[in-house]
Amino acid sequence: DSGVTQTPKHLITATGQRVTLRCSPRSGDLSVYWYQQSLDQGLQFLIQYYNGEERAKGNILERFSAQQFPDLHSELNLSSLELGDSALYFCASSPGGGRAGELFFGEGSRLTVL
Amino acid sequence: KNQVEQSPQSLIILEGKNCTLQCNYTVSPFSNLRWYKQDTGRGPVSLTIMTFSENTKSNGRYTATLDADTKQSSLHITASQLSDSASYICVVSGETGANNLFFGTGTRLTVIP
Repeated sequence: DSGVTQTPKHLITATGQRVTLRCSPRSGDLSVYWYQQSLDQGLQFLIQYYNGEERAKGNILERFSAQQFPDLHSELNLSSLELGDSALYFCASSPGGGRAGELFFGEGSRLTVL
Repeated sequence: KNQVEQSPQSLIILEGKNCTLQCNYTVSPFSNLRWYKQDTGRGPVSLTIMTFSENTKSNGRYTATLDADTKQSSLHITASQLSDSASYICVVSGETGANNLFFGTGTRLTVIP
């Protein structure tokens, strides 16, 4: 158990819909990272938050947004969903915010868009 | 261009045998190299992290090597077990910044009885 909690584990929705994925980092970790992993693909970095502030942005679509709340949990919002958005979405946390230290991954949220 | 390439893409071995997975990278500057194990449908779990000055690091039956001059790393698994069946991902960290993590696409290892 990494200490990172993601909900929901599975989500099935239709094209054009909007969903929210939630992540609770390990106790004490200030950084939260979001990654997308499509079928048989590598992990693609989406965005990082550190102590409530956006720290780094990767290949995140404009239809996607995220935020980190004062209690340090984070949400990833995916809107106007397309079939190609079907993927595993992982959250990871680490203590620091600059140099990427040890990352602890959650178990992921599997999104299926029909 | 910063890239991480892993080989082979997939590998099937008999239980009890050893195997070696390869990772070549072009990331520069270099901070550290990590190996993660990812069971199907699960989150990656860290096996080792190696910095520039470390040549070898072990974690139980897993031994990682790093040659920073040739920008190559390997992960050696000894006396494989069925539970070793997973994807093994090589991740290279650039000097600073969270988005300076470069992920390989992984080697899918299957251990058969």
